[in-house]
Amino acid sequence: DAGVIQSPRHEVTEMGQEVTLRCKPISGHNSLFWYRQTMMRGLELLIYFNNNVPIDDSGMPEDRFSAKMPNASFSTLKIQPSEPRDSAVYFCASSPVGMISGNTIYFGEGSWLTVV
Amino acid sequence: GIQVEQSPPDLILQEGANSTLRCNFSDSVNNLQWFHQNPWGQLINLFYIPSGTKQNGRLSATTVATERYSLLYISSSQTTDSGVYFCAVGGQAGTALIFGKGTTLSVSS
Repeated sequence: DAGVIQSPRHEVTEMGQEVTLRCKPISGHNSLFWYRQTMMRGLELLIYFNNNVPIDDSGMPEDRFSAKMPNASFSTLKIQPSEPRDSAVYFCASSPVGMISGNTIYFGEGSWLTVV
Repeated sequence: GIQVEQSPPDLILQEGANSTLRCNFSDSVNNLQWFHQNPWGQLINLFYIPSGTKQNGRLSATTVATERYSLLYISSSQTTDSGVYFCAVGGQAGTALIFGKGTTLSVSS
C-alpha cells in the first residue's frame, strides 16, 4: 500500500495567489481528514469527510478555505486568496472506519506551504 | 470540546534511559492514539489504544479510560526516538482526532 499521498510536498506562493493541495487516501478507507500544523496552534483539524461527505468543517478558518472530495480516492483543499498567515504544514489523513483494527488514522507526509 | 493535555512538554534524555509520557483528557473517548513526529515532520502512528495495554518492541502504552489518562513508555531510548510525541483522542468511529500539544523528546548519545 502506498499510504496517503499528498501533493505538492512543498509550495512557495505569493500573497493573493490561489493554492490547491491534493490528497489521495489509502484505498478502502472511508474517512478523510485535513489537519494544519503551526508552531503557535499545533495540529488542528480543518475538516473531515465520511464516505465523501463533509461531516465537520468547523475548523476551516474562514471563507478563503474550501475543501472537496469528489470521489473516494481524491480530495482537495483550496485557499483563495492566500495570505502569509496561511503558511503551515497541511496534513491529509485517512482512516478505515468500522474495521476490527479500529479507527487508526494514517497521515500523509504533509504539504509545506509558504506564502510570501 | 475534549481537552487533551500532555506532559512533560519537553524531555531530554541520554541514550539508554527510560521515560514515561503522559496524556490526560477531559472526557470519555472511544479513540486514543499515540503518534511520533520525526525530525522530518512525518507523523507515524504508534498505538491505537482507547483502553488497556499494548507493547511494540521498546515502546508500550497504557490507557486507563475510567481515569482519563494514557501513558507512553519508552525503554532504552535511542537517538532515533527523538521527535515529538502526540496523544490524540476522539469519539465515535469516523470522527476526527483532537491532538495534544505534544512532548518534544531529545535523546543524545
